[in-house]
Amino acid sequence: DGGITQSPKYLFRKEGQNVTLSCEQNLNHDAMYWYRQDPGQGLRLIYYSQIVNDFQKGDIAEGYSVSREKKESFPLTVTSAQKNPTAFYLCASSRGSASEKLFFGSGTQLSVL
Amino acid sequence: GIQVEQSPPDLILQEGANSTLRCNFSDSVNNLQWFHQNPWGQLINLFYIPSGTKQNGRLSATTVATERYSLLYISSSQTTDSGVYFCAVDPYNTDKLIFGTGTRLQVFP
Repeated sequence: DGGITQSPKYLFRKEGQNVTLSCEQNLNHDAMYWYRQDPGQGLRLIYYSQIVNDFQKGDIAEGYSVSREKKESFPLTVTSAQKNPTAFYLCASSRGSASEKLFFGSGTQLSVL
Repeated sequence: GIQVEQSPPDLILQEGANSTLRCNFSDSVNNLQWFHQNPWGQLINLFYIPSGTKQNGRLSATTVATERYSLLYISSSQTTDSGVYFCAVDPYNTDKLIFGTGTRLQVFP
């Protein structure tokens, strides 16, 4: 079945630690996105990539980093510079751009120990 | 930047009732999408609707791009319709999808 797989489902971070969230898609989509959702809030764009080896900052990129070495994969690293990382992180993909239909993974809940 | 506002913020219905959710946006957009987030956090794309009307079962959506709003209709609501409904727009010249504030729907038996 085609889809977007995020792992792990739950992740705990110690202070000063970097953690990486995985996102893999087998939809053959060119564009991939990372969103952050705080409790009771909407989604805010962290980073997005429209092609391999290229990515752009979204609205809240500080404290995060990404890579896009393969079309299928778009991992997100939450660095120690992100002082308030507790949130629900959602990965999404679309065929070409934000003008195309967007599909989401099931999310990763990140909490700070 | 563009503002995307949804109303009402919260809605409580009894099973079988109908409802209308609204999405207003402050500038011209390339497209508009509606999503349902279930209580476990999964977001499902309901409609890709830059203009006009579409129907999918008990759900239908209408976007009037010239007046900068979209409506999502839910008929004969079921408890499984509970969750949060988001609209999202792609403003011209940004290539980013901007999400609205959401409408939280609770359907009771």
